[in-house]
Amino acid sequence: SAVISQKPSRDICQRGTSLTIQCQVDSQVTMMFWYRQQPGQSLTLIATANQGSEATYESGFVIDKFPISRPNLTFSTLTVSNMSPEDSSIYLCSVVTRHVHEAFFGQGTRLTVV
Amino acid sequence: AQSVSQHNHHVILSEAASLELGCNYSYGGTVNLFWYVQYPGQHLQLLLKYFSGDPLVKGIKGFEAEFIKSKFSFNLRKPSVQWSDTAEYFCAVNMDTGRRALTFGSGTRLQVQP
Repeated sequence: SAVISQKPSRDICQRGTSLTIQCQVDSQVTMMFWYRQQPGQSLTLIATANQGSEATYESGFVIDKFPISRPNLTFSTLTVSNMSPEDSSIYLCSVVTRHVHEAFFGQGTRLTVV
Repeated sequence: AQSVSQHNHHVILSEAASLELGCNYSYGGTVNLFWYVQYPGQHLQLLLKYFSGDPLVKGIKGFEAEFIKSKFSFNLRKPSVQWSDTAEYFCAVNMDTGRRALTFGSGTRLQVQP
Protein backbone atom coordinates (compact mmCIF):
# COMPACT_ATOMS: atom_id res chain seq x y z
CA SER A 1 0.00 0.00 0.00
CA ALA A 2 0.96 3.66 -0.07
CA VAL A 3 0.54 6.29 2.59
CA ILE A 4 -0.21 9.72 1.23
CA SER A 5 0.27 12.92 3.16
CA GLN A 6 -1.58 15.88 1.75
CA LYS A 7 -1.21 19.45 3.01
CA PRO A 8 -3.04 21.56 3.93
CA SER A 9 -6.03 19.52 5.00
CA ARG A 10 -8.27 22.55 4.65
CA ASP A 11 -8.03 26.24 3.93
CA ILE A 12 -10.22 29.26 3.48
CA CYS A 13 -8.89 31.62 0.83
CA GLN A 14 -9.78 34.99 -0.61
CA ARG A 15 -10.86 35.17 -4.21
CA GLY A 16 -8.09 36.13 -6.59
CA THR A 17 -5.38 34.45 -4.54
CA SER A 18 -3.62 31.12 -5.17
CA LEU A 19 -3.15 28.04 -3.03
CA THR A 20 -0.55 25.31 -3.44
CA ILE A 21 -1.41 21.84 -2.23
CA GLN A 22 1.33 19.34 -1.51
CA CYS A 23 1.20 15.56 -1.86
CA GLN A 24 3.92 13.38 -0.37
CA VAL A 25 3.96 9.59 -0.73
CA ASP A 26 5.93 7.18 1.40
CA SER A 27 7.06 5.03 -1.50
CA GLN A 28 7.97 5.39 -5.11
CA VAL A 29 4.91 5.32 -7.30
CA THR A 30 4.35 4.98 -10.99
CA MET A 31 1.43 7.34 -11.39
CA MET A 32 0.23 10.41 -9.52
CA PHE A 33 -3.07 12.06 -10.19
CA TRP A 34 -5.04 15.05 -8.95
CA TYR A 35 -8.82 14.86 -8.61
CA ARG A 36 -11.46 17.38 -7.63
CA GLN A 37 -14.65 16.64 -5.72
CA GLN A 38 -17.08 19.52 -5.89
CA PRO A 39 -19.76 19.80 -3.21
CA GLY A 40 -22.28 17.01 -3.57
CA GLN A 41 -20.58 15.60 -6.64
CA SER A 42 -18.25 12.79 -7.53
CA LEU A 43 -14.53 12.87 -8.20
CA THR A 44 -13.29 14.33 -11.45
CA LEU A 45 -9.77 13.85 -12.75
CA ILE A 46 -7.90 17.12 -13.16
CA ALA A 47 -4.58 15.85 -14.47
CA THR A 48 -1.86 13.26 -14.38
CA ALA A 49 1.31 14.54 -12.74
CA ASN A 50 4.30 13.47 -14.80
CA GLN A 51 7.73 13.32 -13.25
CA GLY A 52 10.04 15.91 -14.73
CA SER A 53 7.66 17.05 -17.44
CA GLU A 54 4.42 18.92 -17.91
CA ALA A 55 1.30 17.37 -16.48
CA THR A 56 -1.37 15.86 -18.71
CA TYR A 57 -4.63 17.74 -18.25
CA GLU A 58 -8.15 16.47 -18.76
CA SER A 59 -10.69 18.31 -20.80
CA GLY A 60 -11.85 21.42 -19.01
CA PHE A 61 -8.68 21.88 -16.96
CA VAL A 62 -5.74 24.04 -18.03
CA ILE A 63 -2.22 24.55 -16.83
CA ASP A 64 -2.62 28.28 -16.20
CA LYS A 65 -5.40 27.59 -13.71
CA PHE A 66 -4.02 24.39 -12.17
CA PRO A 67 -0.23 24.30 -12.50
CA ILE A 68 1.20 21.00 -11.32
CA SER A 69 4.73 20.00 -10.47
CA ARG A 70 6.24 16.59 -9.85
CA PRO A 71 9.97 16.91 -9.27
CA ASN A 72 10.45 13.29 -8.18
CA LEU A 73 8.65 9.96 -7.77
CA THR A 74 7.19 10.71 -4.34
CA PHE A 75 6.12 14.36 -4.38
CA SER A 76 3.74 16.57 -6.32
CA THR A 77 2.07 19.93 -5.94
CA LEU A 78 -1.16 21.32 -7.34
CA THR A 79 -1.74 25.07 -7.38
CA VAL A 80 -5.21 26.51 -7.69
CA SER A 81 -4.63 29.93 -9.24
CA ASN A 82 -6.67 33.10 -9.21
CA MET A 83 -9.34 31.43 -7.15
CA SER A 84 -13.05 32.09 -7.33
CA PRO A 85 -15.86 30.66 -5.19
CA GLU A 86 -16.48 28.07 -7.93
CA ASP A 87 -13.12 26.53 -7.04
CA SER A 88 -14.42 25.57 -3.60
CA SER A 89 -13.97 21.81 -3.59
CA ILE A 90 -12.05 18.96 -2.11
CA TYR A 91 -8.82 18.33 -4.00
CA LEU A 92 -7.38 14.85 -3.77
CA CYS A 93 -4.02 13.39 -4.62
CA SER A 94 -4.03 9.81 -5.82
CA VAL A 95 -1.21 7.40 -6.57
CA VAL A 96 -0.78 4.04 -8.26
CA THR A 97 2.13 2.02 -6.96
CA ARG A 98 4.65 0.06 -8.92
CA HIS A 99 3.49 -3.38 -7.83
CA VAL A 100 -0.15 -3.03 -6.90
CA HIS A 101 -2.21 -1.62 -9.71
CA GLU A 102 -4.81 0.12 -7.62
CA ALA A 103 -5.21 3.75 -6.70
CA PHE A 104 -4.63 5.09 -3.21
CA PHE A 105 -5.97 8.42 -2.07
CA GLY A 106 -4.93 11.10 0.33
CA GLN A 107 -7.38 12.62 2.78
CA GLY A 108 -7.83 15.58 0.51
CA THR A 109 -7.69 19.33 0.87
CA ARG A 110 -10.98 21.03 1.56
CA LEU A 111 -10.78 24.45 -0.07
CA THR A 112 -13.29 27.21 0.53
CA VAL A 113 -12.98 30.40 -1.50
CA VAL A 114 -14.71 33.46 -0.12
CA ALA B 1 -18.37 9.96 -23.85
CA GLN B 2 -17.06 7.40 -21.39
CA SER B 3 -19.04 7.51 -18.18
CA VAL B 4 -19.91 5.62 -15.02
CA SER B 5 -23.43 5.60 -13.63
CA GLN B 6 -24.55 4.79 -10.14
CA HIS B 7 -28.31 4.56 -9.97
CA ASN B 8 -28.85 4.84 -6.25
CA HIS B 9 -27.91 8.20 -4.79
CA HIS B 10 -29.11 7.65 -1.25
CA VAL B 11 -30.00 4.30 0.28
CA ILE B 12 -31.40 3.78 3.76
CA LEU B 13 -31.40 0.28 5.20
CA SER B 14 -31.92 -1.36 8.54
CA GLU B 15 -29.20 -3.48 10.04
CA ALA B 16 -29.12 -7.04 8.67
CA ALA B 17 -30.80 -6.02 5.43
CA SER B 18 -29.19 -7.00 2.16
CA LEU B 19 -27.50 -4.42 -0.01
CA GLU B 20 -27.06 -4.10 -3.74
CA LEU B 21 -25.69 -0.96 -5.34
CA GLY B 22 -25.76 -0.65 -9.10
CA CYS B 23 -22.91 0.52 -11.30
CA ASN B 24 -22.85 0.69 -15.09
CA TYR B 25 -20.20 2.05 -17.38
CA SER B 26 -20.11 3.02 -21.02
CA TYR B 27 -16.94 1.78 -22.69
CA GLY B 28 -16.48 -1.13 -25.05
CA GLY B 29 -12.83 -1.85 -24.38
CA THR B 30 -10.92 -3.54 -21.59
CA VAL B 31 -11.66 -2.12 -18.18
CA ASN B 32 -10.50 -2.44 -14.61
CA LEU B 33 -13.28 -2.00 -12.08
CA PHE B 34 -13.25 -0.77 -8.50
CA TRP B 35 -15.49 0.03 -5.59
CA TYR B 36 -14.27 2.56 -3.07
CA VAL B 37 -15.79 3.50 0.26
CA GLN B 38 -15.49 6.77 2.12
CA TYR B 39 -16.44 6.67 5.79
CA PRO B 40 -17.35 9.99 7.39
CA GLY B 41 -14.24 12.11 7.83
CA GLN B 42 -11.94 9.55 6.26
CA HIS B 43 -10.19 9.12 2.95
CA LEU B 44 -11.28 6.85 0.13
CA GLN B 45 -10.50 3.19 0.72
CA LEU B 46 -10.59 0.33 -1.74
CA LEU B 47 -13.32 -2.23 -1.11
CA LEU B 48 -12.61 -4.52 -4.01
CA LYS B 49 -11.36 -4.62 -7.56
CA TYR B 50 -11.73 -6.60 -10.74
CA PHE B 51 -9.01 -6.90 -13.33
CA SER B 52 -9.67 -10.29 -14.94
CA GLY B 53 -10.67 -13.87 -14.16
CA ASP B 54 -13.60 -14.85 -11.97
CA PRO B 55 -16.23 -12.14 -12.45
CA LEU B 56 -17.40 -12.53 -8.86
CA VAL B 57 -14.92 -10.77 -6.65
CA LYS B 58 -14.82 -10.62 -2.91
CA GLY B 59 -13.55 -7.65 -1.00
CA ILE B 60 -13.09 -6.51 2.53
CA LYS B 61 -15.78 -6.40 5.21
CA GLY B 62 -17.99 -8.98 3.53
CA PHE B 63 -18.57 -7.04 0.32
CA GLU B 64 -18.60 -8.66 -3.09
CA ALA B 65 -19.23 -7.50 -6.64
CA GLU B 66 -20.10 -9.19 -9.89
CA PHE B 67 -18.81 -8.08 -13.27
CA ILE B 68 -21.33 -8.77 -16.03
CA LYS B 69 -19.58 -7.84 -19.24
CA SER B 70 -22.68 -8.10 -21.42
CA LYS B 71 -24.46 -5.59 -19.21
CA PHE B 72 -21.44 -3.33 -18.63
CA SER B 73 -22.22 -3.63 -14.94
CA PHE B 74 -20.30 -4.10 -11.71
CA ASN B 75 -22.83 -4.18 -8.89
CA LEU B 76 -21.79 -4.20 -5.26
CA ARG B 77 -23.49 -6.53 -2.78
CA LYS B 78 -23.47 -7.39 0.88
CA PRO B 79 -25.84 -9.98 2.35
CA SER B 80 -26.25 -8.29 5.73
CA VAL B 81 -25.28 -4.68 6.39
CA GLN B 82 -24.14 -3.26 9.70
CA TRP B 83 -24.45 0.20 11.16
CA SER B 84 -20.71 0.61 10.59
CA ASP B 85 -21.27 0.31 6.83
CA THR B 86 -22.77 3.79 6.83
CA ALA B 87 -20.62 5.61 4.28
CA GLU B 88 -20.45 6.84 0.72
CA TYR B 89 -19.69 4.27 -1.94
CA PHE B 90 -18.08 5.05 -5.27
CA CYS B 91 -17.83 2.86 -8.32
CA ALA B 92 -14.76 3.64 -10.41
CA VAL B 93 -13.61 2.39 -13.78
CA ASN B 94 -10.21 2.51 -15.38
CA MET B 95 -10.83 2.73 -19.10
CA ASP B 96 -7.23 3.44 -20.00
CA THR B 97 -5.42 0.53 -18.45
CA GLY B 98 -2.06 1.95 -19.42
CA ARG B 99 -2.48 5.20 -17.55
CA ARG B 100 -4.67 3.88 -14.72
CA ALA B 101 -6.65 7.06 -14.18
CA LEU B 102 -10.17 6.50 -12.87
CA THR B 103 -13.60 7.63 -13.95
CA PHE B 104 -15.91 7.76 -10.95
CA GLY B 105 -19.62 7.32 -10.59
CA SER B 106 -21.61 9.92 -8.72
CA GLY B 107 -21.53 7.96 -5.49
CA THR B 108 -24.17 6.37 -3.27
CA ARG B 109 -24.73 7.47 0.27
CA LEU B 110 -25.64 4.47 2.41
CA GLN B 111 -27.28 5.03 5.74
CA VAL B 112 -27.75 1.98 7.94
CA GLN B 113 -30.16 2.40 10.80
CA PRO B 114 -29.61 0.36 13.96
